[in-house]
Amino acid sequence: NAGVTQTPKFQVLKTGQSMTLQCAQDMNHNSMYWYRQDPGMGLRLIYYSASEGTTDKGEVPNGYNVSRLNKREFSLRLESAAPSQTSVYFCASSEALAGRSTDTQYFGPGTRLTVL
Amino acid sequence: KQEVTQIPAALSVPEGENLVLNCSFTDSAIYNLQWFRQDPGKGLTSLLLIQSSQREQTSGRLNASLDKSSGRSTLYIAASQPGDSATYLCAVMDSNYQLIWGAGTKLIIKP
Repeated sequence: NAGVTQTPKFQVLKTGQSMTLQCAQDMNHNSMYWYRQDPGMGLRLIYYSASEGTTDKGEVPNGYNVSRLNKREFSLRLESAAPSQTSVYFCASSEALAGRSTDTQYFGPGTRLTVL
Repeated sequence: KQEVTQIPAALSVPEGENLVLNCSFTDSAIYNLQWFRQDPGKGLTSLLLIQSSQREQTSGRLNASLDKSSGRSTLYIAASQPGDSATYLCAVMDSNYQLIWGAGTKLIIKP
């Protein structure tokens, strides 16, 4: 049981380059999330998808776009990377449809991104 | 705006000790509070989830309490082991069903 998988594990970009972070889950979960984690700070929500076909902005969406390709996959795209986007990116999923408070989130191993 | 604080940022204790990690939040309008564990280079693993109507949850050597009125939660770890070394994160689910996270407490258990 793979759970939540993310690719790549590490990436170095130059300012202005673009890239897509991939995330997939095999737990038939409805909701998926993208977070970033910076040193000394809590995780911050970038975008989430409460169900297949829907996406919504989180706390820090600027500079990012997302696609909920199907129920399993949720990708995060950086169109023009900036040094401020250097961070560790986590994808997560949960069973809950929107508005349910009983379910926890399951996390992937993360992608460590450096933008030079 | 909901803010979550975890103190201390780091803690080192000898193996076998009981210990308490603290989490505080500024807005009592939460649906639940969750504790996670993060190992270096890995993702987060859920440890305990306390609904807003509950006072505590237990799992093995872990016990988490919630005092919503005072905006505080504690994670109690009994008989600590070197394998408990990790960063422990707490998060509250706010009125928008989004998780707001603390920065974590890095725990080191010395053999």
